[in-house]
Amino acid sequence: DAGITQSPRHKVTETGTPVTLRCHQTENHRYMYWYRQDPGHGLRLIHYSYGVKDTDKGEVSDGYSVSRSKTEDFLLTLESATSSQTSVYFCAISDYRMNTEAFFGQGTRLTVV
Amino acid sequence: AQSVAQPEDQVNVAEGNPLTVKCTYSVSGNPYLFWYVQYPNRGLQFLLKYITGDNLVKGSYGFEAEFNKSQTSFHLKKPSALVSDSALYFCAVRDKGDDKIIFGKGTRLHILP
Repeated sequence: DAGITQSPRHKVTETGTPVTLRCHQTENHRYMYWYRQDPGHGLRLIHYSYGVKDTDKGEVSDGYSVSRSKTEDFLLTLESATSSQTSVYFCAISDYRMNTEAFFGQGTRLTVV
Repeated sequence: AQSVAQPEDQVNVAEGNPLTVKCTYSVSGNPYLFWYVQYPNRGLQFLLKYITGDNLVKGSYGFEAEFNKSQTSFHLKKPSALVSDSALYFCAVRDKGDDKIIFGKGTRLHILP
């Protein structure tokens, strides 16, 4: 498996609280992605990064922010969690070559109550 | 913007029969195409990719996929299904020159003993 670690693996939080999910890689890959997986929707891209401090929005970015201050870490923050953000969140990485596949972490199951 | 369609939510195949999981895509330029598999409570695993060249791509676990530019399709195939192939399958596309990797909604494959 590619060196990707997501933390925490499970989290229950209350509506309105801030939440930060962390993705850590040991591969020195350029690209990092955050997706959410929901039944009937598949995987949807939230935000992605193409380098340190270089990020951009994906398909479903509202309510989420990201930061990448180091190559190895990509943080996803829910500023004020809502029940609609209950989901499984996956981080993925790929290297600088555009034709390479992405490798996925094991996921974080987030429940907002 | 690129997009991926997996028209079947579920595919049922008898063990030993050939299987096909369908995928069509839309990009403004030339595509990189990927197939992933997800087993219960796991992250996504890469199966195969089309970059350029031969339209028939071979991947892991005996899977293959056929790229058809005129039909903008990239169907996943296997000559003889195994019960252990039962899983959730995702097609993904990356437009050359774009950083985003976009996934379909997934197709659940059931292989019946």
